[in-house]
Amino acid sequence: GAVVSQHPSRVICKSGTSVKIECRSLDFQATTMFWYRQFPKQSLMLMATSNEGSKATYEQGVEKDKFLINHASLTLSTLTVTSAHPEDSSFYICSARSQGFTDTQYFGPGTRLTVL
Amino acid sequence: GQNIDQPTEMTATEGAIVQINCTYQTSGFNGLFWYQQHAGEAPTFLSYNVLDGLEEKGRFSSFLSRSKGYSYLLLKELQMKDSASYLCAVSLYRDDKIIFGKGTRLHILP
Repeated sequence: GAVVSQHPSRVICKSGTSVKIECRSLDFQATTMFWYRQFPKQSLMLMATSNEGSKATYEQGVEKDKFLINHASLTLSTLTVTSAHPEDSSFYICSARSQGFTDTQYFGPGTRLTVL
Repeated sequence: GQNIDQPTEMTATEGAIVQINCTYQTSGFNGLFWYQQHAGEAPTFLSYNVLDGLEEKGRFSSFLSRSKGYSYLLLKELQMKDSASYLCAVSLYRDDKIIFGKGTRLHILP
């Protein structure tokens, strides 16, 4: 099956710093990638949709200046959490859309962000 | 608005059968996913239903009724490793988004 990687898997940073998370589709080209956030014992919440070569589309309530998304190529999207605060501590998961018969999304392993 | 409902928690016994229901009210419905998620891990794909009916895949089966806005995931011959959260998610036709339900935490007892 399709493979999506995410890096780093865990990151701990100080409040006020910025953190970049990479999402790569390893064996297929993903024109669309999605970024989700998941707080403990809650469901995934879609943050933004990232299309290669164009600006990301953010969900209501997600600050685009705080969560910078860059989809530079068909296999790479990055999420940068700028000026991170403790309330940004969460599990961030990316997914890449594979077009085909099943037209499903494949998820990366996630990044656990802890802001001190 | 979009609304997806599924039970918060369920408990079943090893070797038994359990059915997890999901109802949805969304605009521009394209299809319905079921994902399994173990604690601290990303979701893994189980099934995707577009047409009405039952699709069987080993111990797992998924059913969809588009007219009723209803789906269920059926797990047979339960194993301890099936203890996880099961997420019902709807694919929206208009903008390709996938909207997730809150998930059902399934506890398997020996």
